[in-house]
Amino acid sequence: AQSVTQLDSQVPVFEEAPVELRCNYSSSVSVYLFWYVQYPNQGLQLLLKYLSGSTLVKGINGFEAEFNKSQTSFHLRKPSVHISDTAEYFCAVSDRASGYSTLTFGKGTMLLVSP
Amino acid sequence: GAVVSQHPSWVICKSGTSVKIECRSLDFQATTMFWYRQFPKQSLMLMATSNEGSKATYEQGVEKDKFLINHASLTLSTLTVTSAHPEDSSFYICSARDGQGGYNEQFFGPGTRLTVL
Repeated sequence: AQSVTQLDSQVPVFEEAPVELRCNYSSSVSVYLFWYVQYPNQGLQLLLKYLSGSTLVKGINGFEAEFNKSQTSFHLRKPSVHISDTAEYFCAVSDRASGYSTLTFGKGTMLLVSP
Repeated sequence: GAVVSQHPSWVICKSGTSVKIECRSLDFQATTMFWYRQFPKQSLMLMATSNEGSKATYEQGVEKDKFLINHASLTLSTLTVTSAHPEDSSFYICSARDGQGGYNEQFFGPGTRLTVL
């Protein structure tokens, strides 16, 4: 079984500032890692994913994340945020054996961008 | 890109009635569909996994007789909340997985807000 811990429930930040949303996972098997964004009253949109290869993954909207196997982390970063980035962000993990079949989500981090 | 729709986007019903939520994959065939439930300010919890033409697999603690799932075609799955009660009020999200290629990503629908009075 896997578990995902998002260390911050809420991250306030000013517009154009950099941001890091933290995610740690626990698993006894190799995993795939994902970050999703959810705008109010909407479904989830995939930001980026780590499957294999380079540990630095670039996604949409200027976001990137780095897979650190030794620290079992997959932190999400953006060098300069916009007001429109205000949303809930979910880190998720899926074990490689099931492919993408079963996603385990963290509790989410609310990113609040202020002008 | 792959698009998943849900209908209705929101519904209000009286306690004791049943509500059906539809999940459709619009531009791909979904061999597997998933149903999630999300309470306010909380994460998504997987309720069940359904494969086209077979019975759904429910997660532990989810009442299969209360949350009826049907996946009758490769583009449609339905979730029926039977005899709904206020505690069933939640945001229900479906996702669909295209099993045709090697890229088996889950694509999420926009969600359905259920309010039971």
